[in-house]
Amino acid sequence: QITLKESGPTLVKPTQTLTLTCTFSGFSLNTNGVGVGWIRQPPGKALEWLAVIYWNDDKSYRPSLKSRLTITKDTSKNQVVLTMTNMDPVDTATYYCAHTLYFSGRHSFDYWGQGTLVTVSS
Amino acid sequence: QSALTQPPSASGSPGQSVTISCTGTSSDLGRYNYVSWYQQHPGKAPKLIIYEVSKRPSGVPDRFSGSKSGNTASLTVSGLQAEDDADYYCTSYAGYNTVVFGGGTRLTVL
Repeated sequence: QITLKESGPTLVKPTQTLTLTCTFSGFSLNTNGVGVGWIRQPPGKALEWLAVIYWNDDKSYRPSLKSRLTITKDTSKNQVVLTMTNMDPVDTATYYCAHTLYFSGRHSFDYWGQGTLVTVSS
Repeated sequence: QSALTQPPSASGSPGQSVTISCTGTSSDLGRYNYVSWYQQHPGKAPKLIIYEVSKRPSGVPDRFSGSKSGNTASLTVSGLQAEDDADYYCTSYAGYNTVVFGGGTRLTVL
């Protein structure tokens, strides 16, 4: 059974760096083809793809946010970490992590965490 | 990388069929057959219902179907049921391992 759960601060100040952790079970990021992505959703708005990391450490980022995002994995802890620098109130959103497979259902996310709401405010 | 275009709303009565469109460009949706659709109920995480244009994950009813023509993909929900009342999002591969989402469509079951 695949599960994912996001954790991190619920409130950050403008200009601070956000660090979110996705802790998962039921799969391994050492397995060929496995990936974990991050997607966010501002309140009342659409979903936005942010980043993905694959078993082979291949990483990709949303072009408009590439300079602010870093995604890493810790396979020993079954965790993926997303950092976003220079946070702004427009970054207020629910942040989701999700599982993906490169060789089947590529670029789609078949299991999602429950999401965590991050508010950016002074 | 611009968002895919979806109609903001759609509606249908129980038992009817409704189709939601998703328009991209020749650089994303028109170039790749990696179109996905997600269903999202209020306060819940999205659920994958279609991937690779027309494939359904295990457990998704065959009332949900997907197709693509040119730069436009479509999701058809047949035999509408009350539980289909939700937001629907399309996505497409946009190259360089990036994904672009649509703006979402609110489907109301009348």
